[in-house]
Amino acid sequence: EVQLVESGGGLVQPGGSLRLSCAASGFTFSTYWMSWVRQAPGKGLEWVANIKQDGSEKNYVDSLKGRFSISRDNAKNSLYLQMNSLTAEDTAVYYCARSWGFDYWGQGTLVTVSS
Amino acid sequence: DIQMTQSPSSLSASVGDRVTITCRASQGIRNDLGWYQQKPGKAPKRLIYAASSLQSGVPSRFSGSGSGTEFTLTISSLQPDDFATYYCLQHNSYPRTFGQGTKVEIK
Repeated sequence: EVQLVESGGGLVQPGGSLRLSCAASGFTFSTYWMSWVRQAPGKGLEWVANIKQDGSEKNYVDSLKGRFSISRDNAKNSLYLQMNSLTAEDTAVYYCARSWGFDYWGQGTLVTVSS
Repeated sequence: DIQMTQSPSSLSASVGDRVTITCRASQGIRNDLGWYQQKPGKAPKRLIYAASSLQSGVPSRFSGSGSGTEFTLTISSLQPDDFATYYCLQHNSYPRTFGQGTKVEIK
């Protein structure tokens, strides 16, 4: 069974940093593109970034380039999102999703940016 | 960026109704489109991939059609479990973009 479990969310002050993790199981992690998608409270879905199977290619939504960084560790079956210089507008549930076609999603982890 | 214009933004329907949701892409995306269902407090669930292929385990009352710039999600006979918000997503080019969502409510 495919499972994606996000962790690392929480309350962080404006200007702070946070690193999210997504633990994958039930499939060969190293053979799939992986993505992060976020959803602000009461709002729609926003694609954040994706990363190629071997980590050699990374893509980001323009508005987050330079502040967010996606990475992966295939030996640990894990995906990461490093988020820096956080603002209130980054408050959202962050989901990891599998593959080019976003076929499986984790349950999400809530990031709240507030003083 | 490719804009995905989804309509309607909400609709009220009764159990047994046929429901149609449309996504229009600002430029051609071949069939690089998926449809997702999201219930409150839950992660999105893929229903349709490649515009018209039914995800394994998804009831056959869901269907997708279209190619290029016009796409449709149809629920042939709305069931109580189908009241949710639906999104389209294009993965043809970067950035990936979602439609604004359609909330399907009980009439």
